[in-house]
Amino acid sequence: NAGVTQTPKFRILKIGQSMTLQCTQDMNHNYMYWYRQDPGMGLKLIYYSVGAGITDKGEVPNGYNVSRSTTEDFPLRLELAAPSQTSVYFCASSYSNRAADTQYFGPGTRLTVL
Amino acid sequence: TQLLEQSPQFLSIQEGENLTVYCNSSSVFSSLQWYRQEPGEGPVLLVTVVTGGEVKKLKRLTFQFGDARKDSSLHITAAQPGDTGLYLCAVHKETSGSRLTFGEGTQLTVNP
Repeated sequence: NAGVTQTPKFRILKIGQSMTLQCTQDMNHNYMYWYRQDPGMGLKLIYYSVGAGITDKGEVPNGYNVSRSTTEDFPLRLELAAPSQTSVYFCASSYSNRAADTQYFGPGTRLTVL
Repeated sequence: TQLLEQSPQFLSIQEGENLTVYCNSSSVFSSLQWYRQEPGEGPVLLVTVVTGGEVKKLKRLTFQFGDARKDSSLHITAAQPGDTGLYLCAVHKETSGSRLTFGEGTQLTVNP
């Protein structure tokens, strides 16, 4: 199993450009998440999904959109990129929403907006 | 106000030393998790603690959940350079379902 994979690994955007960060998991997990991590900080939840066709906002959703058409894929869309969106983005998945369950993280996408 | 306060924020020690890092809150949690994140990678789960006063050991790492389930500590014995990384604690807020909330982490550097 590859686990959680993310593409691209690095990207530089100009202000106002758009892009989609890809996330795929092969563990048949229903729950998927997008986090951002700013330098020296913990992770903040952007959006999450509890299954195909169901998404919900996290702590910092402004400027982002998501979709979940399949169990495997959970892309994150940035519209009109801003310097404040410079960050490292992590996708994660879990089998259930039980508090003690493990979240499995991808390797991250490092995004710079200039 | 952060839900989880981790301390210290940064810690730089020599190989072979012992250390303890802390994760504190004023809220009660049903469980608490510790993750380690190495440079350029995503966090990886180390342990989940669920019972007040619980102690779990993972080789040279000892995790303890506070009796009141509001705080936790991570103790590393005889630290090695391979222990270098960002240590994050995380909890599920009771009203947030599947949503994890992370502390800001302790950045540990173990020098050879």
